[in-house]
Amino acid sequence: DQQVKQNSPSLSVQEGRISILNCDYTNSMFDYFLWYKKYPAEGPTFLISISSIKDKNEDGRFTVFLNKSAKHLSLHIVPSQPGDSAVYFCAASATTGGFKTIFGAGTRLFVKA
Amino acid sequence: SQTIHQWPATLVQPVGSPLSLECTVEGTSNPNLYWYRQAAGRGLQLLFYSVGIGQISSEVPQNLSASRPQDRQFILSSKKLLLSDSGFYLCAWRPQGAGSPLHFGNGTRLTVT
Repeated sequence: DQQVKQNSPSLSVQEGRISILNCDYTNSMFDYFLWYKKYPAEGPTFLISISSIKDKNEDGRFTVFLNKSAKHLSLHIVPSQPGDSAVYFCAASATTGGFKTIFGAGTRLFVKA
Repeated sequence: SQTIHQWPATLVQPVGSPLSLECTVEGTSNPNLYWYRQAAGRGLQLLFYSVGIGQISSEVPQNLSASRPQDRQFILSSKKLLLSDSGFYLCAWRPQGAGSPLHFGNGTRLTVT
């Protein structure tokens, strides 16, 4: 049972354009959502998060949007840079149950120069 | 500042041999601790999490076990490795309380031959 889904395995974007990565979730108890970036053979690094009481959070080039009614969130990167090429994981957690964080399968982003 | 150490970085073990991976966190107390596995081309699967010493929650029935003998130490073990145990193992921590992201170690690449 995949509670967090990233349906696009990969995404290719031209440098300078916007990258939009999507994520859907099924568990209504999730109240904290995160995006991580991962390079091969390294641990994921935290990018940005959003609480369920908000619908948008922005940090520099990265913006996360949350649509609770649709159980959907997205990460916008603008402008995209070649260094952004990596695997991006969407994750979600609930305040109850030890704050276990459930990850999606990831989307590999390629930013072409 | 807080740091997380995970070792070894790589490990090649024969089928049927035991396993012990260790993770320690510095600079914080009473963290929540987590073990994840990333199989080849897959997302991050939560294996175990712990909210305190001696408290372990298992997410997936399998050939592995976890222990937390000290507040900031988390150990992943197996008595007899299977080929299917191969993967990239990640330890992570987060502070107690809501609204904090997970912080990951650099991971251990385990190959069972």
